[in-house]
Amino acid sequence: GDSVTQMEGPVTLSEEAFLTINCTYTATGYPSLFWYVQYPGEGLQLLLKATKADDKGSNKGFEATYRKETTSFHLEKGSVQVSDSAVYFCALSDRLGTSYDKVIFGPGTSLSVIP
Amino acid sequence: DAGITQSPRHKVTETGTPVTLRCHQTENHRYMYWYRQDPGHGLRLIHYSYGVKDTDKGEVSDGYSVSRSKTEDFLLTLESATSSQTSVYFCAISEPARRGEDTEAFFGQGTRLTVV
Repeated sequence: GDSVTQMEGPVTLSEEAFLTINCTYTATGYPSLFWYVQYPGEGLQLLLKATKADDKGSNKGFEATYRKETTSFHLEKGSVQVSDSAVYFCALSDRLGTSYDKVIFGPGTSLSVIP
Repeated sequence: DAGITQSPRHKVTETGTPVTLRCHQTENHRYMYWYRQDPGHGLRLIHYSYGVKDTDKGEVSDGYSVSRSKTEDFLLTLESATSSQTSVYFCAISEPARRGEDTEAFFGQGTRLTVV
């Protein structure tokens, strides 16, 4: 079945460092891919998404490119801030026929940014 | 913000008692999900629903049951709560999209359940 794998955390970075969080997926159809972020004490919210191969999703300085050949959707940011400290979830929604199936989440990667 | 309300937001209950958590949506989305979130385990799917009275198990469904008698409400029941069910529970909704469109999941604020 469909699945999402993320790099193990926690990840600790200094402010202004470069961030990469790896995400790979397995899907039977043509999935849309997502990154969600969860700030402390809150629910998950959508950070960015990409719906087809080679699409790049971006938001708040974060980027991720849909790589079908490597089944990956790695999250990157050039210069992290303390306010980026959160848990990041990679997710997919597979397409079967003409409709999308349910959303499937990875286990999440905790990021701590220190001043 | 998507119209998703979880209730209660916090609950403390005793081992062996039944507990029901409610998720209410105003978006008319077809899919609804219940997840639990625990340190070291990330987000794990308990049950989900793909329509009224249509539900299926997730990866950690033992000890939980769900019901969906109308589109807007998805109930999660712990028949006999155990300490291992102490967790933060999240409800989510999504709507399957047609070709050429995309979809995303929207989350509630979570319910913190403590079983003592």
